[in-house]
Amino acid sequence: SAVISQKPSRDICQRGTSLTIQCQVDSQVTMMFWYRQQPGQSLTLIATANQGSEATYESGFVIDKFPISRPNLTFSTLTVSNMSPEDSSIYLCSVTAGAAYEQYFGPGTRLTVT
Amino acid sequence: AQSVAQPEDQVNVAEGNPLTVKCTYSVSGNPYLFWYVQYPNRGLQFLLKYITGDNLVKGSYGFEAEFNKSQTSFHLKKPSALVSDSALYFCAVSVKGTYKYIFGTGTRLKVLA
Repeated sequence: SAVISQKPSRDICQRGTSLTIQCQVDSQVTMMFWYRQQPGQSLTLIATANQGSEATYESGFVIDKFPISRPNLTFSTLTVSNMSPEDSSIYLCSVTAGAAYEQYFGPGTRLTVT
Repeated sequence: AQSVAQPEDQVNVAEGNPLTVKCTYSVSGNPYLFWYVQYPNRGLQFLLKYITGDNLVKGSYGFEAEFNKSQTSFHLKKPSALVSDSALYFCAVSVKGTYKYIFGTGTRLKVLA
């Protein structure tokens, strides 16, 4: 399994600002994903981060609000733009490696917007 | 539409007793099924998966799950619960070739000493 780190682990941000979350993996991986877990709820897939090209967004999520970069096979960033209190959530990145179908998750970034 | 259901928000079980956490799914095509556990302030940890083969799969920490195609279920089980098993459990399904997960709503397991 891959070892995944996320920065920051938590943050408190003002309404209207943006936060960039980093996801670093200790080995090259095939797929990288970003999820949102709203308080007391399940995980919802935001997008698939594609290496060297634009991310693939799920219904209800748009690039202007959640721009994603993936410059190489071990690193990705998710930006939460123009934040509102409704963006308060845990944001998690996950990866798959090789032919395996299971995903491995980072520890998450707990975001609070005031 | 593809979906995963975890019908119980919470399951309480006495330490030492067997536990079951239920999961049913609805997908078109062959399902790939997964169980994850989330401890407080932690990310999700992979427990086990069913891709193909034996319907009974064994995973981490003594957990196992049984795939039942006719009932479209993938219940998580453990013969003897530990207090340390208390956590939030998520079932997820993926359709072959997509790698994308659909998660259930989660079941909070509480093991009582």
